[in-house]
Amino acid sequence: KAGVTQTPRYLIKTRGQQVTLSCSPISGHRSVSWYQQTPGQGLQFLFEYFSETQRNKGNFPGRFSGRQFSNSRSEMNVSTLELGDSALYLCASSFGGLSIQYFGAGTRLSVL
Amino acid sequence: SQQGEEDPQALSIQEGENATMNCSYKTSINNLQWYRQNSGRGLVHLILIRSNEREKHSGRLRVTLDTSKKSSSLLITASRAADTASYFCATEQGGNTPLVFGKGTRLSVIA
Repeated sequence: KAGVTQTPRYLIKTRGQQVTLSCSPISGHRSVSWYQQTPGQGLQFLFEYFSETQRNKGNFPGRFSGRQFSNSRSEMNVSTLELGDSALYLCASSFGGLSIQYFGAGTRLSVL
Repeated sequence: SQQGEEDPQALSIQEGENATMNCSYKTSINNLQWYRQNSGRGLVHLILIRSNEREKHSGRLRVTLDTSKKSSSLLITASRAADTASYFCATEQGGNTPLVFGKGTRLSVIA
């Protein structure tokens, strides 16, 4: 089985722009979660989608949004980028719920 | 906010030695998990221990859980250079709440 695939691996954007990141979960997994990882804050939960519905949401501003498609693939969008949004964004999938997470390699976003 | 707090933040040992990392958390949990992350990559699940379990083994890994002290430890025996990575604990409270990760312990194993 293929693992969790995140694209792109690296992104460079400037302040004020928006960005869309993509995540393809392991085949058969219906739950997709997104995390932001920074050296200062560690791994912070953004949101989780299950069967195209947002089931959980972390404490992030509305500039961060996501969605999930019928094939379980997920995208997250960050609008009006700020310097502080520079981070490694990780996507994880699981079969039914939020227990064991299978992570992708991440998207490294740099905001200049 | 972080539920799990790992200790120490960084650990450096020689190949062949044992490495012990600790995790403390604040609220009741359903299970506690340990993950490994190689530099700049995704996390890999290592082991899950349920709240009614006290100890679990997987290969060279040994995890203990003390719910009365709200703490867990991860022991890696006979460490290898390839074990160099960051190790995170994550707690699940149940009820479809998301995993909450600690900030991790950075382990360096010197050959």
